[in-house]
Amino acid sequence: QLQLQESGPGLVKPSETLSLTCTVSGGSINSSRYFWGWIRQPPGKGLEWIGSIYHSGSTYYNASLKSRVTISIDTSQRQFSLKLNSGTAADTAVYYCARGSGGFDPWGQGTLVTVSS
Amino acid sequence: SYELTQPPSVSVSPGQTARITCSADSLPDQFAYWYQQKPGQAPRLLIYKDTERPSGIPERFSGSSSGTTVTLTISGVQAEDEADYYCQSADSSGSYVFGTGTKVTVL
Repeated sequence: QLQLQESGPGLVKPSETLSLTCTVSGGSINSSRYFWGWIRQPPGKGLEWIGSIYHSGSTYYNASLKSRVTISIDTSQRQFSLKLNSGTAADTAVYYCARGSGGFDPWGQGTLVTVSS
Repeated sequence: SYELTQPPSVSVSPGQTARITCSADSLPDQFAYWYQQKPGQAPRLLIYKDTERPSGIPERFSGSSSGTTVTLTISGVQAEDEADYYCQSADSSGSYVFGTGTKVTVL
């Protein structure tokens, strides 16, 4: 059964870079049938798609975040990563990683990242 | 990009039917997906490709599509169905968007 697990710092200072990694287990990260995505949810608010990456390395980003986001993949480590530059309080959210195929399934459990001094 | 609009809340009595709509000004020719999210949990896929139900999802959850509106129907609502529900779709450029979310309250 495919499982995803987010990891990374839970606290980031304003203007610094938020960095998270998603580790995939129980299945292949190399399949051309799927892509891998990051989604976030500010406290008490809805879901926001951040971006997606294919095993080939092709990326797609939310236009509102594109200037600050980089998603990369390391198939040898079965991991994909998110970097969000110039963090502000508005980036405080639970960050989820998920496997995509039109929709997103399954999801990681999520990790709360707080941007604060 | 485009927006997917859902009603903020829906209230329903146990055993009754809840319908949650998701609409866009011009929904791209893409499938819609539905998720259930309970407090403190990650979203769970309920419906994919407008009407399909993943294995393990109860039959009381169903999806339909008409024009620029897709609908999630919960038939015979149970107390455990109290949660937030989100629709999701994509555009032709490879971008994804989630609906505004609907809180379902079981009275």
